[in-house]
Amino acid sequence: SQQGEEDPQALSIQEGENATMNCSYKTSINNLQWYRQNSGRGLVHLILIRSNEREKHSGRLRVTLDTSKKSSSLLITASRAADTASYFCATTGNQFYFGTGTSLTVIP
Amino acid sequence: DTEVTQTPKHLVMGMTNKKSLKCEQHMGHRAMYWYKQKAKKPPELMFVYSYEKLSINESVPSRFSPECPNSSLLNLHLHALQPEDSALYLCASSQEQRLAGINEQFFGPGTRLTVL
Repeated sequence: SQQGEEDPQALSIQEGENATMNCSYKTSINNLQWYRQNSGRGLVHLILIRSNEREKHSGRLRVTLDTSKKSSSLLITASRAADTASYFCATTGNQFYFGTGTSLTVIP
Repeated sequence: DTEVTQTPKHLVMGMTNKKSLKCEQHMGHRAMYWYKQKAKKPPELMFVYSYEKLSINESVPSRFSPECPNSSLLNLHLHALQPEDSALYLCASSQEQRLAGINEQFFGPGTRLTVL
């Protein structure tokens, strides 16, 4: 069964704009991770945020975590066409679950 | 070497065939995973091996049979599959299963399986 729900399901933006996607989950977690998947390929780990952290940055990525609301957001700033991909949150408590994913299209 | 390799990249098989998917990593990881992913869906966990022993089987039908010959290799044996088993099969590894929440998983590129 899946732990996380993501919204929006699909997002289309112009190059240079920021993209925000959200993940909500159901039970307690140890940490939350974000992955990217290019069409039909394997997943690539982007960033991990621990349950006692509220915000984390990595390059153009900013992740927030609100454990009281059981939610996380991923912000990609100054988007590029190469950011076009599906993005999944993944939560770890007793198990490792992927969210439903957000399909991001960045238009050049 | 931070790569997980999977072979073959594509596989087409009939419902009576027997085939195997292979996965290899040389990062010294002691946990390896099989996932199944249908189009526009997230990966679904099938099996987890920890220190070459099967630790999690997510109620996967017996027509899928995993095998971990050593710490670097993971196989998925396929027999009498159904058309609905057509999907992308992903292999992943991480340092240890009990640290799965702390350590990232490294994914292979997947095997695109079509069952006719």
